[in-house]
Amino acid sequence: GEDVEQSLFLSVREGDSSVINCTYTDSSSTYLYWYKQEPGAGLQLLTYIFSNMDMKQDQRLTVLLNKKDKHLSLRIADTQTGDSAIYFCAEMNYGQNFVFGPGTRLSVLP
Amino acid sequence: DTAVSQTPKYLVTQMGNDKSIKCEQNLGHDTMYWYKQDSKKFLKIMFSYNNKELIINETVPNRFSPKSPDKAHLNLHINSLELGDSAVYFCASSQRQGVETQYFGPGTRLLVL
Repeated sequence: GEDVEQSLFLSVREGDSSVINCTYTDSSSTYLYWYKQEPGAGLQLLTYIFSNMDMKQDQRLTVLLNKKDKHLSLRIADTQTGDSAIYFCAEMNYGQNFVFGPGTRLSVLP
Repeated sequence: DTAVSQTPKYLVTQMGNDKSIKCEQNLGHDTMYWYKQDSKKFLKIMFSYNNKELIINETVPNRFSPKSPDKAHLNLHINSLELGDSAVYFCASSQRQGVETQYFGPGTRLLVL
């Protein structure tokens, strides 16, 4: 079955880069997403990448996709305290199933 | 101007009660969804609803029933609430069914006592 995995915690210092990793098992994944959930808030779509791309950059965010290894990463440059949140990796496949990872809790230390 | 809205934001109720959570989207999307996020933050899809076609996650108890009065609304009705129903419930919508970006509401925090 489909499975999406992420490490559960990440701590970085303010100003450093954060890299959040995600692995998935479904080779028919077509779209891969990163969502952000701030404390007590809903899910906010950050960015997404098509499976035929290997990189996408959007301001401080860089998404890297290694389709061979089924590995997705989100890099946040110059991490700020406002970036502290839970980051969810999610995949959509041809079966039209939308599967989320468990979320990575990013803590930004001053 | 909220794209996907849910009411109420918080809901505290007793076991055995019946309650509803409302969801509205003003994006003109064709497909709406309900997700449950448990205490460990795991997100699981419960339902997707598109043009009167309901797709149910088979793990969802039949005490949960989605009701769609029109394309912009998908309400979640829960009968005979149980302690294990305590969670955050998220509504979402997408332009159409399938490989589409989903936009989420703010969530409804349900606590069953």
